[in-house]
Amino acid sequence: TQLLEQSPQFLSIQEGENLTVYCNSSSVFSSLQWYRQEPGEGPVLLVTVVTGGEVKKLKRLTFQFGDARKDSSLHITAAQPGDTGLDLCAGGEDSSYKLIFGSGTRLLVRP
Amino acid sequence: ETGVTQTPRHLVMGMTNKKSLKCEQHLGHNAMYWYKQSAKKPLELMFVYNFKEQTENNSVPSRFSPECPNSSHLFLHLHTLQPEDSALYLCASSLQPSGRHSYNEQFFGPGTRLTVL
Repeated sequence: TQLLEQSPQFLSIQEGENLTVYCNSSSVFSSLQWYRQEPGEGPVLLVTVVTGGEVKKLKRLTFQFGDARKDSSLHITAAQPGDTGLDLCAGGEDSSYKLIFGSGTRLLVRP
Repeated sequence: ETGVTQTPRHLVMGMTNKKSLKCEQHLGHNAMYWYKQSAKKPLELMFVYNFKEQTENNSVPSRFSPECPNSSHLFLHLHTLQPEDSALYLCASSLQPSGRHSYNEQFFGPGTRLTVL
């Protein structure tokens, strides 16, 4: 059974701080996606990484896919209250409709 | 309307009630999904429809019955639910991935918050 573990499960930080969220598995995935879910809404896709070692940047967010395609990280620079929400990673396989979701990191950014 | 919509947004029902959740996607996708999201648990895939055909039933109890009349609409019919079925039910859609190096990017609706009394 493929599992994705995310850490930390919960993080409360002050506005302006930096943070990193981790997503780890013992399984290899062909792609790794990051979603953000705000309170009362569904998850929204932020990025997809597909190549081992790949780094993608989205404004203050930096995503990295591990060289072995078993893990990923999300680094947020200068966190803002608007970053508050649940960050989810999801692993996928080639030509498959199934995504394996992690349990998420709940982030609270205090003004 | 754009994206994926779900109705109702909130639903409270008794254990003997029958209700239905509705999902509609306006993205031209050909695959649709039902997920269950409970507190402190990963998203649980319930059902997958690909071109209106059910391709996945993830050991879901029969008190949940999906229906996909066309590639834009998806329903989840609920009957004699239990309190532990209370959760956020999310619908998603995607283009069916095919071929090597294709991947499944899913677009979610806002969810239906279900409470079973």
